[in-house]
Amino acid sequence: SQQGEEDPQALSIQEGENATMNCSYKTSINNLQWYRQNSGRGLVHLILIRSNEREKHSGRLRVTLDTSKKSSSLLITASRAADTASYFCATAPNAGNMLTFGGGTRLMVKP
Amino acid sequence: GAGVSQSPSNKVTEKGKDVELRCDPISGHTALYWYRQSLGQGLEFLIYFQGNSAPDKSGLPSDRFSAERTGGSVSTLTIQRTQQEDSAVYLCASSFLQRNTEAFFGQGTRLTVV
Repeated sequence: SQQGEEDPQALSIQEGENATMNCSYKTSINNLQWYRQNSGRGLVHLILIRSNEREKHSGRLRVTLDTSKKSSSLLITASRAADTASYFCATAPNAGNMLTFGGGTRLMVKP
Repeated sequence: GAGVSQSPSNKVTEKGKDVELRCDPISGHTALYWYRQSLGQGLEFLIYFQGNSAPDKSGLPSDRFSAERTGGSVSTLTIQRTQQEDSAVYLCASSFLQRNTEAFFGQGTRLTVV
C-alpha cells in the first residue's frame, strides 16, 4: 500500500500559470520529499522538508508541510513547458529511512 | 561512478524464463532500494537494503522475486519464471543511511515479458 497519495492525479495548465500539487500521508514522518520523473524513467530529487519545518523554497518551487493534517503541497510558479513531468511525494518514517512513494501527479504545461 | 547505473536498460524475455537485473549504486551509499513501476502508475516498493542489517523484503510480490546485495555495493534483482504481469520498469535507488537524505535513482530497466 502507498503511504502518500497525490492529488490531483493529472493537471493541465498553460505556460506561465502556477501549478499546485498536494500529497497526503498516513503515518508519522521524519521528512517528506518531492521528486520529478520524465518519460517514465529515473526520478530526480527536487526538495526535502523536515517534519519540524512548515515551508521551504527552492527556485520556482515552494513546498509546505502540515503535520497536523498529514499533508504537503508543491507549488511550481511561472510554469514552463519543460516542467511537464510526473511529480511524486515520498515519505521517510521516524523509525527508519525507507522511502515510500505516492501515485504521482502528471503535470502537463502547454506552451 | 557518478550516478546509479542499471543494466540492462531494456529486456525482453519469454514467459517462464528467469531474468536478472543489475544495479550499481553510488559509491559509499549504504542504503539501496528496488521499486517497480507499471505504465502510468506510482512506484511499488519491492525491497530495501540498509547497510549491514537484514533487508526489508516486505514488498516482494511473490517467491519468484529475490534480490541480493554483494559486498554492500552491487545489487541483483532476480525474477524466476517470469509472467506477463511482471512487465514494468524496475527502478533502483541508493542513498546514505541517514534520516534526512535524498535518494538517487538509476534510469531503470524496462522489462517486457512476451
